[in-house]
Amino acid sequence: IAGITQAPTSQILAAGRRMTLRCTQDMRHNAMYWYRQDLGLGLRLIHYSNTAGTTGKGEVPDGYSVSRANTDDFPLTLASAVPSQTSVYFCASSEGASGQETQYFGPGTRLLVL
Amino acid sequence: GQNIDQPTEMTATEGAIVQINCTYQTSGFNGLFWYQQHAGEAPTFLSYNVLDGLEEKGRFSSFLSRSKGYSYLLLKELQMKDSASYLCAVTDSNYQLIWGAGTKLIIKP
Repeated sequence: IAGITQAPTSQILAAGRRMTLRCTQDMRHNAMYWYRQDLGLGLRLIHYSNTAGTTGKGEVPDGYSVSRANTDDFPLTLASAVPSQTSVYFCASSEGASGQETQYFGPGTRLLVL
Repeated sequence: GQNIDQPTEMTATEGAIVQINCTYQTSGFNGLFWYQQHAGEAPTFLSYNVLDGLEEKGRFSSFLSRSKGYSYLLLKELQMKDSASYLCAVTDSNYQLIWGAGTKLIIKP
């Protein structure tokens, strides 16, 4: 069982380019999340999905979009990358969306926007 | 606003005990988590408290006081592999996790 996988592991991207970060889980979890982690700051929620077919905005959604066509996949798209989107991006999932379940994290994608 | 405060960095000696504190001010409270994150890796779950008191799990214990907006993580018999960042997170009234910036724990031999 792989848990949660993310791709790519790392990426250097030119500003203005479009990029999709992929996230797949095999635990049949209902809820999925995208976070960014920056030095000196806590994890910040970008978007979330409580169940397949639904998505919601987190604390820092601007410049990002998500979709949840099925239970397993939750891609994050940067429509036109900017240098301030340089960060480590973590995808996570949990069995439910009550906020009382453990979140399981993928290995992260390290993104550098130049 | 919502705020989670943790010390930025702590240093302790192998074999000793260390207590990492977390104070929070959030819109609502539906539980508090502690996660461990080794450098360059993903966070992994350590503990969850929703009621006041101490939860013990092997060498790690976590305490919660909801009236004081306070929690601590206690690590006993420190090992070199415990060198990591420890993240405190609170579930708010929207059932989303609000994360602290983490405490980097350095273990010295």
